[in-house]
Amino acid sequence: SQQGEEDPQALSIQEGENATMNCSYKTSINNLQWYRQNSGRGLVHLILIRSNEREKHSGRLRVTLDTSKKSSSLLITASRAADTASYFCATETGFQKLVFGTGTRLLVSP
Amino acid sequence: DADVTQTPRNRITKTGKRIMLECSQTKGHDRMYWYRQDPGLGLRLIYYSFDVKDINKGEISDGYSVSRQAQAKFSLSLESAIPNQTALYFCATSDPSGSADTQYFGPGTRLTVL
Repeated sequence: SQQGEEDPQALSIQEGENATMNCSYKTSINNLQWYRQNSGRGLVHLILIRSNEREKHSGRLRVTLDTSKKSSSLLITASRAADTASYFCATETGFQKLVFGTGTRLLVSP
Repeated sequence: DADVTQTPRNRITKTGKRIMLECSQTKGHDRMYWYRQDPGLGLRLIYYSFDVKDINKGEISDGYSVSRQAQAKFSLSLESAIPNQTALYFCATSDPSGSADTQYFGPGTRLTVL
């Protein structure tokens, strides 16, 4: 079964708008990671947040983690058409492997 | 991206055939993984290997086998392919030297079983 569930499943916005996607998970984690996948391609690591961190930034990306609610959010600011992709959260639970969520499909229209 | 390569990129085969998907990496990572991706289900772990002598089953290993021929090579076999094994298959590597298991993915193999 999936550890992470992303919400929404699909998101459509205009260029320049912010995109927020959420991830909920079930068990305690060591860290949570976000990956991006362009259509039919391999996943690319975006950002990692450790269980003792609450917020992290990388360029236009902001990730938050609420371990009490077992949830994380990924915010992409000032979206561009090139941000169109699927975004996956992945949790590392201490067994030295990742468990991926079901993904959010983001469409950014020019 | 070229650090992790997968062959073939696309394969169409028939039910009952034996299929091997190959993965090679030049990142020097000890850990390698095989995932399967189906629409709406995200990625599911098939097998993983933490070094040449270590092979572990993942969430959905039934119907699959693997071989770790060297640090750089990890192959996935479908002994007798069936249509519900039609999916996108990804190989990944990791080197958690920073105590975090960031993974690096290959471009994927699209497998169709008729």
